[in-house]
Amino acid sequence: DVKVTQSSRYLVKRTGEKVFLECVQDMDHENMFWYRQDPGLGLRLIYFSYDVKMKEKGDIPEGYSVSREKKERFSLILESASTNQTSMYLCASLRQGTYEQYFGPGTRLTVT
Amino acid sequence: GNSVTQMEGPVTLSEEAFLTINCTYTATGYPSLFWYVQYPGEGLQLLLKATKADDKGSNKGFEATYRKETTSFHLEKGSVQVSDSAVYFCALTNAGNNRKLIWGLGTSLAVNP
Repeated sequence: DVKVTQSSRYLVKRTGEKVFLECVQDMDHENMFWYRQDPGLGLRLIYFSYDVKMKEKGDIPEGYSVSREKKERFSLILESASTNQTSMYLCASLRQGTYEQYFGPGTRLTVT
Repeated sequence: GNSVTQMEGPVTLSEEAFLTINCTYTATGYPSLFWYVQYPGEGLQLLLKATKADDKGSNKGFEATYRKETTSFHLEKGSVQVSDSAVYFCALTNAGNNRKLIWGLGTSLAVNP
């Protein structure tokens, strides 16, 4: 079974802190994604990566950055957390040439 | 541009009722269409897919048919169970760029015993 794991299920941070969200997949997938999920807004793509050290902006990249130094790991970074970044963050991976994205369980981040 | 529109929830049904969740799309070319499900406290998982017109995707008693003439991909199940309570997302991807999914906003389903 494909497994996508995220470093935390719940996280509470203060405004202005630097926040790292980690995602690891164990199926050698080329593509990885970070989404945020908010009530009434569905899933919105923040960034995705199609190879090591490669990244592309999604629909809402402002206030975020990403890092992909190894194929299995994709990190989302909030440089200076703000309260409007309180959300559920979902990571996903996808094998090149296929359709199915595999999701992690999500990290619910609260910024106070 | 490409977009997906789902019926708004929440949808509340009694066990064994018939379920329809409407999904329509706007896309250029010939997209592939998907339904994902998110059970409480979990990430999303693929429920079913259809990659060309008139294809029917099916899984776990759920079905959806890719209707190009009406640009629709409605999700149906003949008899829902309490364990089907979840949020359902319709999505599409364009051929040639299957990395990115265009998502609907999700429809919450609650099934009561």
